[in-house]
Amino acid sequence: QQQVKQSPQSLIVQKGGISIINCAYENTAFDYFPWYQQFPGKGPALLIAIRPDVSEKKEGRFTISFNKSAKQFSLHIMDSQPGDSATYFCAAIPRGKLIFGQGTELSVKP
Amino acid sequence: GAVVSQHPSRVICKSGTSVKIECRSLDFQATTMFWYRQFPKKSLMLMATSNEGSKATYEQGVEKDKFLINHASLTLSTLTVTSAHPEDSSFYICSAKYGSQFFGPGTRLTVL
Repeated sequence: QQQVKQSPQSLIVQKGGISIINCAYENTAFDYFPWYQQFPGKGPALLIAIRPDVSEKKEGRFTISFNKSAKQFSLHIMDSQPGDSATYFCAAIPRGKLIFGQGTELSVKP
Repeated sequence: GAVVSQHPSRVICKSGTSVKIECRSLDFQATTMFWYRQFPKKSLMLMATSNEGSKATYEQGVEKDKFLINHASLTLSTLTVTSAHPEDSSFYICSAKYGSQFFGPGTRLTVL
């Protein structure tokens, strides 16, 4: 199964709060899990990525948590800011191709 | 580092004409580039994989005669939408592989 399922579709968070976006996959051949941030009218930008042999990776306010047995991974944005308002895509890579999740539109309210 | 550019950023054309979109890796060489299409508020759909010096590999359902891809150098791939129609209007995004995939800023195509 070549799918990555992402939820929620949209998310509203107050400034300073924690934004959590979840993704699930079925294909155990996926071996790299990046997250992308996309602003309207722009291309996606790589935010953070993780390999399945690591359970957590943190870069600044962004953390990926990875549960290999459950085939789930999530993005946590700590201290969310209005500038974080964007669409976030999780992805997985089998054989060099990116399989994207459906996207989450995040809105951080001041 | 790892900057990818696209040109043009926006293009409006008449139905039946052809449009060429360029994708360049500015500070690295990319043997593999990818072309995506994105509809409003939707995810990115992979159209094709472009390998330098060889024919592109198209995803199922993508018309290779309509979306011509050329990857003539390690820093340039082009997508030509031939005989464009209004249903081809979309946001086209390229990416280049340099370890991870790095994306261009996208090209908004509007076919009248």
